[in-house]
Amino acid sequence: GQQVMQIPQYQHVQEGEDFTTYCNSSTTLSNIQWYKQRPGGHPVFLIQLVKSGEVKKQKRLTFQFGEAKKNSSLHITATQTTDVGTYFCAGNSNYQLIWGAGTKLIIKP
Amino acid sequence: EAQVTQNPRYLITVTGKKLTVTCSQNMNHEYMSWYRQDPGLGLRQIYYSMNVEVTDKGDVPEGYKVSRKEKRNFPLILESPSPNQTSLYFCASSLYGLVNEQFFGPGTRLTVL
Repeated sequence: GQQVMQIPQYQHVQEGEDFTTYCNSSTTLSNIQWYKQRPGGHPVFLIQLVKSGEVKKQKRLTFQFGEAKKNSSLHITATQTTDVGTYFCAGNSNYQLIWGAGTKLIIKP
Repeated sequence: EAQVTQNPRYLITVTGKKLTVTCSQNMNHEYMSWYRQDPGLGLRQIYYSMNVEVTDKGDVPEGYKVSRKEKRNFPLILESPSPNQTSLYFCASSLYGLVNEQFFGPGTRLTVL
């Protein structure tokens, strides 16, 4: 079946370091959405990418959609404690929203 | 305030005892869906509804039922819960479907003993 692989599963960083999570789809996607889930919370929409090669920025967050519309990434520059949580991608393919398993961002004390 | 509400937030029950988790949205959204979230597996869709009286199976529909009699409500029914349905459940809605952002409810943590 259709899958979206998301790596890594966990990433431990010192505050101030960068963080990146990657999603790869087995099929071409119509669009891809990114969500953040804080510990104990629910997923909250961050952004949607639609166009091939699209890059969008939200302050310290940079989102990219691959040229083939099969992969995407989220990069956070200079992480802060407020960035802690799990980041999910969700790809839209054949009228289904296929979710990655998420990457948990952990800030080392 | 625009929101998706779910009740109950926490539920402990026993095998075989029918239960319903309610979901309601006040944003006049057409599309609603139910997900379960298990560690390491991300979000898996159980059922979705494109509009009133229209429902369809998601990835993991076995053991669940839904109904969409009104636009704002989309209850999830477990006729005979089993321990493998112990999970965190989220209801979500969006304006028209998958091209719009999904708004999630706060979640229902279900334990089936």
